[in-house]
Amino acid sequence: GENVEQHPSTLSVQEGDSAVIKCTYSDSASNYFPWYKQELGKRPQLIIDIRSNVGEKKDQRIAVTLNKTAKHFSLHITETQPEDSAVYFCAASSNGGYNKLIFGAGTRLAVHP
Amino acid sequence: DTEVTQTPKHLVMGMTNKKSLKCEQHMGHRAMYWYKQKAKKPPELMFVYSYEKLSINESVPSRFSPECPNSSLLNLHLHALQPEDSALYLCASSQSGLNTEAFFGQGTRLTVV
Repeated sequence: GENVEQHPSTLSVQEGDSAVIKCTYSDSASNYFPWYKQELGKRPQLIIDIRSNVGEKKDQRIAVTLNKTAKHFSLHITETQPEDSAVYFCAASSNGGYNKLIFGAGTRLAVHP
Repeated sequence: DTEVTQTPKHLVMGMTNKKSLKCEQHMGHRAMYWYKQKAKKPPELMFVYSYEKLSINESVPSRFSPECPNSSLLNLHLHALQPEDSALYLCASSQSGLNTEAFFGQGTRLTVV
């Protein structure tokens, strides 16, 4: 089955710096890669996703890149703000009919003012 | 309405109790999911319903019994749970079809005593 590895487990940056989180997956059939942000005590919320027919996607300060050959994808947050502090999960899904999401272990991002 | 609503928010139950978790969505989604999330861990898939039929059971113990009465509702019946089953139980939904966003509810925080 699918296995998703995520690094780093914790990341501490100064406000305004960039943050990069990396994930690798094992199942070459995976074709959907969402990123979720989960604040303490709250639900996971989708922040950006990418499908296998696209190499890069950007939404304001957030971008995701996908390398299907190497089976890895990354989240880039630029100009970080304190409200970006949260746990970020990458995930991979390979089932076409519905989302059997397999999550990475998570990255706890702390943005210091 | 882009909400997935779960009730109750918190639940404390004894090991001999029977209780149910409820989940509701009115987005017309035909896929619904139960995830379990332990503290500082990623969500783990338990069950997937597609068009009100159970499509995936991730080898979940029979003390957890899912039910999908209609396309908007998803229940999780709990019986004879163990303390190690204490966790945040998240419901999610998505459109059927290829790789669409999964919307999560705010979860039920379950404590088994």
